[in-house]
Amino acid sequence: NAGVTQTPKFQVLKTGQSMTLQCAQDMNHNSMYWYRQDPGMGLRLIYYSASEGTTDKGEVPNGYNVSRLNKREFSLRLESAAPSQTSVYFCASNRLAPNTGELFFGEGSRLTVL
Amino acid sequence: QQQVKQSPQSLIVQKGGISIINCAYENTAFDYFPWYQQFPGKGPALLIAIRPDVSEKKEGRFTISFNKSAKQFSLHIMDSQPGDSATYFCAGASSGGYQKVTFGTGTKLQVIP
Repeated sequence: NAGVTQTPKFQVLKTGQSMTLQCAQDMNHNSMYWYRQDPGMGLRLIYYSASEGTTDKGEVPNGYNVSRLNKREFSLRLESAAPSQTSVYFCASNRLAPNTGELFFGEGSRLTVL
Repeated sequence: QQQVKQSPQSLIVQKGGISIINCAYENTAFDYFPWYQQFPGKGPALLIAIRPDVSEKKEGRFTISFNKSAKQFSLHIMDSQPGDSATYFCAGASSGGYQKVTFGTGTKLQVIP
């Protein structure tokens, strides 16, 4: 089982460029999430999708858009990248029950915006 | 607004010692308190979790202590090993349609031989 797979693993962008981070999970999970990780700030929720066909904003959604393409895939798009979006991005998923606070994370996508 | 506060930011412990990481929360709607472990270049992974109606949970060398009245909980790593060197995140989780997990800011643990 691959679990949660993210692509690309590394990306360098220039300010104003756009890109899409891809995420796929093979665990038949209902909910999927995008977090960003910055030093000293922990993991902050950007967007989530509670189930196929729904998406909602998290704590830091500005500058991002998401698409829940199907039950397996959840993509994150940066329309016009800014240096403040330099970060490590993590996709995660979880099963509906039991609700124990367990998220399954991918290995991350490291994005640098120059 | 930081709903889960974590300290210290970094911690150096000698091999065989006890590592202690503390967290405090504000949101009383949390119904699970997980701890995540993250190795460099990897995503976080669940280490251990506790419900608020339990005061302590132990799994091997890892123990969570929970004080509901003080809204505080902590992770103790007994007999710390160099392989425990990682970043640890405490979190609060609330259910209801999806898993809302709010993370602390993380503690970078280094266990030196």
